[in-house]
Amino acid sequence: EDQVTQSPEALRLQEGESSSLNCSYTVSGLRGLFWYRQDPGKGPEFLFTLYSAGEEKEKERLKATLTKKESFLHITAPKPEDSATYLCAVQADNQGGKLIFGQGTELSVKP
Amino acid sequence: EAQVTQNPRYLITVTGKKLTVTCSQNMNHEYMSWYRQDPGLGLRQIYYSMNVEVTDKGDVPEGYKVSRKEKRNFPLILESPSPNQTSLYFCASSKGTSPYNEQFFGPGTRLTVL
Repeated sequence: EDQVTQSPEALRLQEGESSSLNCSYTVSGLRGLFWYRQDPGKGPEFLFTLYSAGEEKEKERLKATLTKKESFLHITAPKPEDSATYLCAVQADNQGGKLIFGQGTELSVKP
Repeated sequence: EAQVTQNPRYLITVTGKKLTVTCSQNMNHEYMSWYRQDPGLGLRQIYYSMNVEVTDKGDVPEGYKVSRKEKRNFPLILESPSPNQTSLYFCASSKGTSPYNEQFFGPGTRLTVL
């Protein structure tokens, strides 16, 4: 069964304290892995798509990486405005338009 | 402005009273999808539509219906709502026929079924 697991469930950082969020996935074949950011009371907002192992993408303080079993979202020198829930999702081969989300990591960055 | 709109944003109803949550996008996207979000369970896909002609079930389709008669609209229908359908619902759309591309999400509809 296709599955996506994110860890930790919650992460508290001090401003400037770098860290990583993990997304482990089990699918028969990966078509794409997606990272989204969600602020309280709002819909998710797209961050990155990764397609193959070894791929990396960056956006400001965020960097996403992908291996054959997991993806990491690295946050460098975070600021309070980076506080949000970060969601990982995967689309598997031969699954049409189906998308499976992990439960998310709630990130809190204190000044 | 490019956006996905949902209506209503908030709805309180009673068990068994049919309701429809509308979703509309103005980006000429092919792919549209519905999700529900519950504490501890994350986002779960209800139905998706790869284009006007193709609609398929996600992980939690029971108790829901959808309709894709035109490209821009993808309403979610609850024929006989039950309390376990109390949730936060999101509609999303993306360019192309799959979520392979960036998905744009609506603002959400908070549904309470008493």
